[in-house]
Amino acid sequence: DAGVIQSPRHEVTEMGQEVTLRCKPISGHNSLFWYRQTMMRGLELLIYFNNNVPIDDSGMPEDRFSAKMPNASFSTLKIQPSEPRDSAVYFCASRDSGTDTQYFGPGTRLTVL
Amino acid sequence: QQQVKQSPQSLIVQKGGISIINCAYENTAFDYFPWYQQFPGKGPALLIAIRPDVSEKKEGRFTISFNKSAKQFSLHIMDSQPGDSATYFCAASKGGSQGNLIFGKGTKLSVKP
Repeated sequence: DAGVIQSPRHEVTEMGQEVTLRCKPISGHNSLFWYRQTMMRGLELLIYFNNNVPIDDSGMPEDRFSAKMPNASFSTLKIQPSEPRDSAVYFCASRDSGTDTQYFGPGTRLTVL
Repeated sequence: QQQVKQSPQSLIVQKGGISIINCAYENTAFDYFPWYQQFPGKGPALLIAIRPDVSEKKEGRFTISFNKSAKQFSLHIMDSQPGDSATYFCAASKGGSQGNLIFGKGTKLSVKP
């Protein structure tokens, strides 16, 4: 099993640019989570999908952030326009229904200059 | 009331010693309490979890102790090894394992040989 796949692993961009982070959940998992990790704020849930439908997006910082899940095997997190304070490691995690465990991907380290 | 407070921020333990990390929560609706382990450059991975109907759960060298009345739970790592050096996160959710996880800020554990 390949696990949760995220791309890119590292992204360096300039303030004002659009950034798109990608996630492929584990096959068969029906829940997908996007998290942001920073030293100051720790690990924060941004948005959560169940069966491709956004269930809770209360953690999305502001309108510059958007997330989509067009099908069961792909999700994107987009930041437009990006700002230096968006610099963080972004994790995607997936979970199978009826089970406890969230499986995290390796993360995307985003640096906004 | 949604917070999970974790301490200490960092911990240094000698090989063979016991590592203890503590967490406290306020929301009595929380009913699922996992611990995640994160190595540098990797995503968090589930280590062990407990529900409030038991006061202790042990898996190998790792034990969760849960005190419902005090709204506290802790992770004990017995016979700590250098390979245990990682960041540990406690978390809590309501709605069981299907709920959204609220993470503590993390504890960086270093086990000295």
